[in-house]
Amino acid sequence: DAGITQSPRHKVTETGTPVTLRCHQTENHRYMYWYRQDPGHGLRLIHYSYGVKDTDKGEVSDGYSVSRSKTEDFLLTLESATSSQTSVYFCAISEGAGMSYEQYFGPGTRLTVT
Amino acid sequence: KQEVTQIPAALSVPEGENLVLNCSFTDSAIYNLQWFRQDPGKGLTSLLLIQSSQREQTSGRLNASLDKSSGRSTLYIAASQPGDSATYLCAVADRGSTLGRLYFGRGTQLTVWP
Repeated sequence: DAGITQSPRHKVTETGTPVTLRCHQTENHRYMYWYRQDPGHGLRLIHYSYGVKDTDKGEVSDGYSVSRSKTEDFLLTLESATSSQTSVYFCAISEGAGMSYEQYFGPGTRLTVT
Repeated sequence: KQEVTQIPAALSVPEGENLVLNCSFTDSAIYNLQWFRQDPGKGLTSLLLIQSSQREQTSGRLNASLDKSSGRSTLYIAASQPGDSATYLCAVADRGSTLGRLYFGRGTQLTVWP
């Protein structure tokens, strides 16, 4: 299994509070991604990173920010959590981008916003 | 925008059957297609990756085919076992989008009963 950990694994928080989720990898892969998984929508890309300090938005980025100060860590921050951000969040990594590169996923973080 | 559809949404079969899961996508300009397995409450496990220049890939009892021109992929599972019960997701890496980002189908929930 690819060395990807996510923390916390479960979190319950209140509306309006900031939340930070962490993804940590031991594979030294260049690309890192944050997805959310919701019933009826499947997995959707929130943000991604193509190197230290290099990040960009995915299709559902509103209300989220990210940071990557080290190759191994990719942080996802909910600036002010809302109930619509209740979801399961997955981090993924990839050595490269293109034809032959697989993405490997972490175990997920289940976030509940009350 | 790339759209990925998986049929059927759910499938229940007795142990030992050979079965086929279907995946279709709307834009044939892809880098690759990945099949994943997801167990309840768990992350995604990569099963097979087919590059856009390939027609099929095999791993053990799994065989995945790709017909890029018609926008279709099938995952064939031979001699199914109860341990194969899980949700199977297909995802395409779209050439026209953020490098490496995946578009996911909503999955086929497979139950194999003894």
